Amino acid sequence: GENVEQHPSTLSVQEGDSAVIKCTYSDSASNYFPWYKQELGKRPQLIIDIRSNVGEKKDQRIAVTLNKTAKHFSLHITETQPEDSAVYFCAASRRQAGTALIFGKGTTLSVSS
Amino acid sequence: DGGITQSPKYLFRKEGQNVTLSCEQNLNHDAMYWYRQDPGQGLRLIYYSQIVNDFQKGDIAEGYSVSREKKESFPLTVTSAQKNPTAFYLCASTPTSGRDTQYFGPGTRLTVL
Repeated sequence: GENVEQHPSTLSVQEGDSAVIKCTYSDSASNYFPWYKQELGKRPQLIIDIRSNVGEKKDQRIAVTLNKTAKHFSLHITETQPEDSAVYFCAASRRQAGTALIFGKGTTLSVSS
Repeated sequence: DGGITQSPKYLFRKEGQNVTLSCEQNLNHDAMYWYRQDPGQGLRLIYYSQIVNDFQKGDIAEGYSVSREKKESFPLTVTSAQKNPTAFYLCASTPTSGRDTQYFGPGTRLTVL
């Protein structure tokens, strides 16, 4: 069935370092790949997304890359700050289920100052 | 995502009881979704609806039921048949334009006593 694998499950970095989170997906029909940030007890917030016709997208300190051939996509955060600490989820669109998403299990990012 | 509301924020249920979680949106979105989130897990799809008076089962629909009588409302009932209902429940919606971006409500934390 459809699946999204996310690694690592936890990531600790020093303030100012870069952080990279990687995801792989199984459904070759997936064409939309969002990333969400979730703080404790809060709703997931969309931080960046990419569609299958684009290989890379940047928004200030955040970038996402997509390799459709390998079915990989990654989130890159540069110059990390303590307020970047949160759980990050990748997701992929599904062949069925309308526009529902299938999510990875999340990465807990801790940025220490 | 400010246009999606969920109530209550916290809900306690005794074993054997049915409870209903509310989800309302004023964004004029056609599609709405219910996800369940457990600690250390990603979001798993319970039910989704792409249009009024129509809904489909997601990956973990057993023990849950929904209705979609109005475009702006998509309530979820957790029945006594759901063996382990304690979780964080998130409602989401998607714009009518066909874009895939999902916006989440603030969530309801359900605890079974």
